[in-house]
Amino acid sequence: QKEVEQNSGPLSVPEGAIASLNCTYSDRGSQSFFWYRQYSGKSPELIMSIYSNGDKEDGRFTAQLNKASQYVSLLIRDSQPSDSATYLCAVNDYKLSFGAGTTVTVRA
Amino acid sequence: DTGVSQDPRHKITKRGQNVTFRCDPISEHNRLYWYRQTLGQGPEFLTYFQNEAQLEKSRLLSDRFSAERPKGSFSTLEIQRTEQGDSAMYLCASSAAQGRTQELFFGEGSRLTVL
Repeated sequence: QKEVEQNSGPLSVPEGAIASLNCTYSDRGSQSFFWYRQYSGKSPELIMSIYSNGDKEDGRFTAQLNKASQYVSLLIRDSQPSDSATYLCAVNDYKLSFGAGTTVTVRA
Repeated sequence: DTGVSQDPRHKITKRGQNVTFRCDPISEHNRLYWYRQTLGQGPEFLTYFQNEAQLEKSRLLSDRFSAERPKGSFSTLEIQRTEQGDSAMYLCASSAAQGRTQELFFGEGSRLTVL
């Protein structure tokens, strides 16, 4: 089993809709969780970090963490064409382990 | 620009040649990481330094790969006798010594093509 698994994409949403991205992880002792955005041909960019159970909101992004279920999600509200990218879930003990990513396309 | 800097950005080489990549982390960061990413996959951990000490190497890092961070500042990743399977994006990241030490910030990457 891979350490970090993300729902397979690609995910296509209309402009203005909510994009929902899911991620599960295998190490129950993991404490830190991150979402990175990666545009095609570019490097990953940190957009959200979450450390405790519940929701964390930052602008149009909301990260949700449920450690009991070993599940972390990212919601993108009011999706914009500029949100079209691959979103990488990452889990950290002392290094980041990444999922394969979910590619999101926002249709204008 | 005070972000993570990598050089070269692109490298095309023939199989069997040696290549070296350089990474300059964010100046106040003492942790430095190397990752490799291939198309359609997430970054895979290669190795990690805290200051000049290399604390972990992935099983992915064969004996053809070597990384150094001699003075705890910049780092180099050398690949000897390159193979076509080494073609990938090599990403360097750094993180802070205190506070949010687990938030990694990536450079733009060095893309390697082995012919």
